[in-house]
Amino acid sequence: GQNIDQPTEMTATEGAIVQINCTYQTSGFNGLFWYQQHAGEAPTFLSYNVLDGLEEKGRFSSFLSRSKGYSYLLLKELQMKDSASYLCAVKNSNYQLIWGAGTKLIIKP
Amino acid sequence: SAVISQKPSRDICQRGTSLTIQCQVDSQVTMMFWYRQQPGQSLTLIATANQGSEATYESGFVIDKFPISRPNLTFSTLTVSNMSPEDSSIYLCSVVSGEITQYFGPGTRLLVL
Repeated sequence: GQNIDQPTEMTATEGAIVQINCTYQTSGFNGLFWYQQHAGEAPTFLSYNVLDGLEEKGRFSSFLSRSKGYSYLLLKELQMKDSASYLCAVKNSNYQLIWGAGTKLIIKP
Repeated sequence: SAVISQKPSRDICQRGTSLTIQCQVDSQVTMMFWYRQQPGQSLTLIATANQGSEATYESGFVIDKFPISRPNLTFSTLTVSNMSPEDSSIYLCSVVSGEITQYFGPGTRLLVL
């Protein structure tokens, strides 16, 4: 089967750094996506990795290791507005997006 | 990125009735999808809306329950038929723009009583 694993919930402090991990087992690989979803809203695109390594975009960075089936999303200088769910998704060999259940990130002052 | 709108944004419906959700994109896109997201859950793909042909449904979803239209490259509808309380969910339209990234509409929040 195909599956994406992420922690269900994480808590971090405003101003700190948090790393959200994602491991995947899919039939083929054509890229990994991270989305942010605030409660009651639609997911918004954060990042896309298809090659190994780190992609940095402002306070957010995403890392991929294809050999390990592993990615993480790194959020720096956390702000209260970063409280949201973070969804990891992998595009498989059929170009279908397989979604993780999401990680709910709680930011405390 | 594509700008996606959905109508209605929310609705409360009686069981046994049907609701049609509209999705409009501001540019022509090849791939359009319909997802469902139940409270506290991740996204579940219902079907791929194909322009000019029948939609491709995922396991567990059938055309009689979720008929989909896609008359052109910017518009699609999803109907939730003969609704029951189990259909209460957020329904999301999604498109692929730039061949890689998938974007989501604002969603339709459906409550079935």
